[in-house]
Amino acid sequence: GENVEQHPSTLSVQEGDSAVIKCTYSDSASNYFPWYKQELGKGPQLIIDIRSNVGEKKDQRIAVTLNKTAKHFSLHITETQPEDSAVYFCAASWTSGSRLTFGEGTQLTVNP
Amino acid sequence: SQTIHQWPATLVQPVGSPLSLECTVEGTSNPNLYWYRQAAGRGLQLLFYSVGIGQISSEVPQNLSASRPQDRQFILSSKKLLLSDSGFYLCAWSAHGAEQYFGPGTRLTVT
Repeated sequence: GENVEQHPSTLSVQEGDSAVIKCTYSDSASNYFPWYKQELGKGPQLIIDIRSNVGEKKDQRIAVTLNKTAKHFSLHITETQPEDSAVYFCAASWTSGSRLTFGEGTQLTVNP
Repeated sequence: SQTIHQWPATLVQPVGSPLSLECTVEGTSNPNLYWYRQAAGRGLQLLFYSVGIGQISSEVPQNLSASRPQDRQFILSSKKLLLSDSGFYLCAWSAHGAEQYFGPGTRLTVT
């Protein structure tokens, strides 16, 4: 089955800096890669996703890049703000709407 | 718009007691439904998923079971809770071929 590895497990940045979280996946058949943000005590919230026919996708301060050859994808957050502090999860599946395999999460702390 | 509900929000139960957690989705028909467990704020583990009424797939052999009595209702149950069943239980839904969305979760503490 699919295996997703996520790094780093914790990340601390200063407000205004950029943050990058990286994930690798094992199943070359995977073609859907969402990212979730989870605040303390809440359910994960889908923030951005990318499909394998696209190399990069942006939404305001967040972007995701995908390298199918290397089987890795990354989340980029620019101009970080304290409210970006949360746990971020990457995931992979062979198509959207099917079962997701999640990474272990990254605790992002943005220091004011 | 679609909304997903879970209850209760928190639950404290003694070892050996039964469990019933409920999840309902509004604003969509025939969704895929999922139950996840999350321990210590990390690592979402898929427990069950369902593509239709009465159709349940189990991902991990355990002390839990799931049922889908109605199209938009998903129930997680146990006959006898173990200490290891403590955790944050999340329900999620997706339209077929679309993104997966999570509910607010239920914090279960088994004492």
